[in-house]
Amino acid sequence: DVKVTQSSRYLVKRTGEKVFLECVQDMDHENMFWYRQDPGLGLRLIYFSYDVKMKEKGDIPEGYSVSREKKERFSLILESASTNQTSMYLCASSPLGQGHPSETQYFGPGTRLLVL
Amino acid sequence: GESVGLHLPTLSVQEGDNSIINCAYSNSASDYFIWYKQESGKGPQFIIDIRSNMDKRQGQRVTVLLNKTVKHLSLQIAATQPGDSAVYFCAENIWGYQKVTFGIGTKLQVIP
Repeated sequence: DVKVTQSSRYLVKRTGEKVFLECVQDMDHENMFWYRQDPGLGLRLIYFSYDVKMKEKGDIPEGYSVSREKKERFSLILESASTNQTSMYLCASSPLGQGHPSETQYFGPGTRLLVL
Repeated sequence: GESVGLHLPTLSVQEGDNSIINCAYSNSASDYFIWYKQESGKGPQFIIDIRSNMDKRQGQRVTVLLNKTVKHLSLQIAATQPGDSAVYFCAENIWGYQKVTFGIGTKLQVIP
């Protein structure tokens, strides 16, 4: 079974703090994604990566950065957390192969971040 | 465009009845569609997908229907069970691209 783990289930941070959210997958997947999930807005893509050290902006990258130093790990960084970044953050991974990447996008359990 | 609001659309269904969850997609270029199920406290899980060269696909107790003319997708769940209670998301994609665009979700409540 594919397993995608996220470092924390719940986080409370203060405005202005630097926040690191870590995601690890154990299936040697090439693609990794960070989404945020907000009521009424669904899942919105922040950043994704299709290879080590490669990254692409998603739909809402402002205020975030990412790091992919190793294939299995994809980090989301909030350089200076703000209250409007309070949200549920979901990491996902998928293989790059003959099959379509989307159908095998595996999600982690999510990190609920509260910025005070 | 995005829907703005604090509350998910909710569908309440009696246990044993069939459920139909609807979704309108926005990009006429999308040619691949996926339904995900998200249970409370968990990440979304893949349920079923369909490509644009099909208008119907069946899985175990689930059927997805695609109407490209009106850009509409639906998920039918037969004999709905309490374990089907979750939020269901449709997603659209262009084959070959990594990005997936998700809908806002529909909450399915199964009444025992």
